[in-house]
Amino acid sequence: DQQVKQNSPSLSVQEGRISILNCDYTNSMFDYFLWYKKYPAEGPTFLISISSIKDKNEDGRFTVFLNKSAKHLSLHIVPSQPGDSAVYFCAASAGKNDMRFGAGTRLTVKP
Amino acid sequence: DTEVTQTPKHLVMGMTNKKSLKCEQHMGHRAMYWYKQKAKKPPELMFVYSYEKLSINESVPSRFSPECPNSSLLNLHLHALQPEDSALYLCASSQQGRANTEAFFGQGTRLTVV
Repeated sequence: DQQVKQNSPSLSVQEGRISILNCDYTNSMFDYFLWYKKYPAEGPTFLISISSIKDKNEDGRFTVFLNKSAKHLSLHIVPSQPGDSAVYFCAASAGKNDMRFGAGTRLTVKP
Repeated sequence: DTEVTQTPKHLVMGMTNKKSLKCEQHMGHRAMYWYKQKAKKPPELMFVYSYEKLSINESVPSRFSPECPNSSLLNLHLHALQPEDSALYLCASSQQGRANTEAFFGQGTRLTVV
């Protein structure tokens, strides 16, 4: 049972444009959401997170938006850079150390 | 030091072998995790240790046996595995009891069972 879903397996954007990666979840007990970035042959690295008490968190070029009523979150990257090309995982936890991951979206930023 | 170190990076083992995966962190994190990731799938949680005690076991078969000898080390003992257990095994650690549950991941051990 996939509690965290990333329905777009891939996304391609032009350098300088906005990348929007989407994530949906089914478990209403999730109260913390994270985005991880993964390069080939490396483990996932933390990118940005958001608590369920917020609806937006920004860190430089990265912004995460949370819509609790829709059980949806998104990651915006602007402007996108070729170095952002990687697989992006959405993850969620329900107050314990039990982080669940989505299937990932492969982002390709073209120069 | 913000690294989680996993050894070995690659492992090939037969179905009758016994082997161990090792994970080490020196960030003072008291929560440590094992995840399993198959190709084109998300990392799947296997075990969570909190203060060196097993707190979550996601119904993992007994041929996988975790061990946390101290707060810096996490092992995964493997015995009588099946070819379908071939995957990338990821170790992670995080602060315990903090609002920010950001986890740091190791590079993983690529396991092939033949």
